[in-house]
Amino acid sequence: LAKTTQPISMDSYEGQEVNITCSHNNIATNDYITWYQQFPSQGPRFIIQGYKTKVTNEVASLFIPADRKSSTLSLPRVSLSDTAVYYCLVGDGPRSGGYQKVTFGTGTKLQVIP
Amino acid sequence: KAGVTQTPRYLIKTRGQQVTLSCSPISGHRSVSWYQQTPGQGLQFLFEYFSETQRNKGNFPGRFSGRQFSNSRSEMNVSTLELGDSALYLCASSSAGGTEAFFGQGTRLTVV
Repeated sequence: LAKTTQPISMDSYEGQEVNITCSHNNIATNDYITWYQQFPSQGPRFIIQGYKTKVTNEVASLFIPADRKSSTLSLPRVSLSDTAVYYCLVGDGPRSGGYQKVTFGTGTKLQVIP
Repeated sequence: KAGVTQTPRYLIKTRGQQVTLSCSPISGHRSVSWYQQTPGQGLQFLFEYFSETQRNKGNFPGRFSGRQFSNSRSEMNVSTLELGDSALYLCASSSAGGTEAFFGQGTRLTVV
């Protein structure tokens, strides 16, 4: 099973860059690294996905070192609306039929402070 | 493009009853997965359907079942409800061979 470890919670001030690191020592060759954002009583929302090196989209960047045993989600200039739980997932997910081989874990609860 | 739609959004049932939840995937997506989310256990995989066939199943009792129709819409059924079944039930859809899963808003089930 692809197990991930991430900090339980983080606080940040508005306008700062936030980096959330996830450890996944037993990542498999076919596994992707995916990050989701979830607000209370809503479904997780896809943020970004990567396999290796760096991936950037309009909301975040994902840094993956060469050994792929960890990854870092970077949120530039966070605002109050970024207060949410962030989940790091490792696996080939939907390609193999849902995220049945991974656990979402507790995620990282990010609190943005004014 | 419409997202994943789950109905109803909220539901209150009594112990022993059964319930059916519905999920309409993104147009063109043939894979639908279901998850249960509770404060204590987090997000847990229930099962996944692809082209009307269940491909994978999580570690849940047989009271939890599902099906998928030819238009890819999916339903999840829970029989003989227990208090512990109170949770947010989420479904996610993805395209064939895709690595991204798109989640719906969820159905909040409360068993009293």
